[in-house]
Amino acid sequence: EPEVTQTPSHQVTQMGQEVILRCVPISNHLYFYWYRQILGQKVEFLVSFYNNEISEKSEIFDDQFSVERPDGSNFTLKIRSTKLEDSAMYFCASKNGRDQPQHFGDGTRLSIL
Amino acid sequence: GNSVTQMEGPVTLSEEAFLTINCTYTATGYPSLFWYVQYPGEGLQLLLKATKADDKGSNKGFEATYRKETTSFHLEKGSVQVSDSAVYFCALIPMNRDDKIIFGKGTRLHILP
Repeated sequence: EPEVTQTPSHQVTQMGQEVILRCVPISNHLYFYWYRQILGQKVEFLVSFYNNEISEKSEIFDDQFSVERPDGSNFTLKIRSTKLEDSAMYFCASKNGRDQPQHFGDGTRLSIL
Repeated sequence: GNSVTQMEGPVTLSEEAFLTINCTYTATGYPSLFWYVQYPGEGLQLLLKATKADDKGSNKGFEATYRKETTSFHLEKGSVQVSDSAVYFCALIPMNRDDKIIFGKGTRLHILP
């Protein structure tokens, strides 16, 4: 069964550095998402992306964050000038139609030191 | 606003016990309701869903009924197995929206042999 793939599984970065989290959505999917889960807290929506543009973003998704679909297969989340509070598990998801369920990757654990 | 509240964990049961994980929601109109499961080391998987009042979602022996009058979507299973040990997330997508999923905090379930 096709899967959403995220790399790396664990990323350790110094505070203030930039980090790029990578996702390969399922190949025929058109809608893409990023969520995050700070340890012990809820899974929170960050951003949705469709037709090469952001369709919705949360209050969390400020100017520090950006998303990109640089080619036909990858969907990346860039965090500039990382802060300690950016430490979390980041999940990518995709779906192939408006009424279809979102399929999630296994997540990238980001640790900011 | 829209939110999901589920029972605090961890929940520890013996194999073959009856399981209930409570979930209530706050939303306008008729949101779509979901249960996601996260097995150790894996991503979020859709377990079951219900999209209108009185619908029952079911999968792998798990069931949940969409109760509009009590704004609830409790997860049940008649006889749990060790392999059901995981974190379970109740979630909703607001009415007339097809993008972001709003998750509860998750309930960790331990099943003892």
